[in-house]
Amino acid sequence: RKEVEQDPGPFNVPEGATVAFNCTYSNSASQSFFWYRQDCRKEPKLLMSVYSSGNEDGRFTAQLNRASQYISLLIRDSKLSDSATYLCVVPGYSSASKIIFGSGTRLSIRP
Amino acid sequence: NAGVTQTPKFRVLKTGQSMTLLCAQDMNHEYMYWYRQDPGMGLRLIHYSVGEGTTAKGEVPDGYNVSRLKKQNFLLGLESAAPSQTSVYFCASSYGGSYQETQYFGPGTRLLVL
Repeated sequence: RKEVEQDPGPFNVPEGATVAFNCTYSNSASQSFFWYRQDCRKEPKLLMSVYSSGNEDGRFTAQLNRASQYISLLIRDSKLSDSATYLCVVPGYSSASKIIFGSGTRLSIRP
Repeated sequence: NAGVTQTPKFRVLKTGQSMTLLCAQDMNHEYMYWYRQDPGMGLRLIHYSVGEGTTAKGEVPDGYNVSRLKKQNFLLGLESAAPSQTSVYFCASSYGGSYQETQYFGPGTRLLVL
């Protein structure tokens, strides 16, 4: 299994819909995870951290499933401004790969 | 407070040419990183620095060199550019080196090697 895998999408959903996507990871010792958001041709920015069971911030909920080794990101009442690529980040195995970025899931919200 | 800035924003090189990418941060962060991002792939760590005067190899260091002479600056050098180094380069910084630390990214440098 790759260290981190994401469905590249694109996920194309209507405004107001709920959308969720997963990220699987291989390092069973990982304790904390992150979701970064990257707008087209821009830099990644931290969206939220995921520790223990999960985290919620407004319309965004991140959950961790240790048994199946995946984290999920749920976006409720999606807005046009949510259109972006969402990068899953997990701890790396070594100092040379301190954290591993997934290749991202592209989300497009349509009016 | 500008955060993390990168120079230049865009550059075209011919194979074999050299160049230096400059990253600067004004957050007094100890840790700085250079990543490259290619289509369909996640960001890959090239080199990083845990403090002024120190550098370390990341996942894909071949063909690149770095220097951290001042705490606020982290330079990435390409001695002899190759088409395989066409990519978007992001610099990032963090207060500490724990994987739990938030990394703050610069706006990126788009490099095309012909």
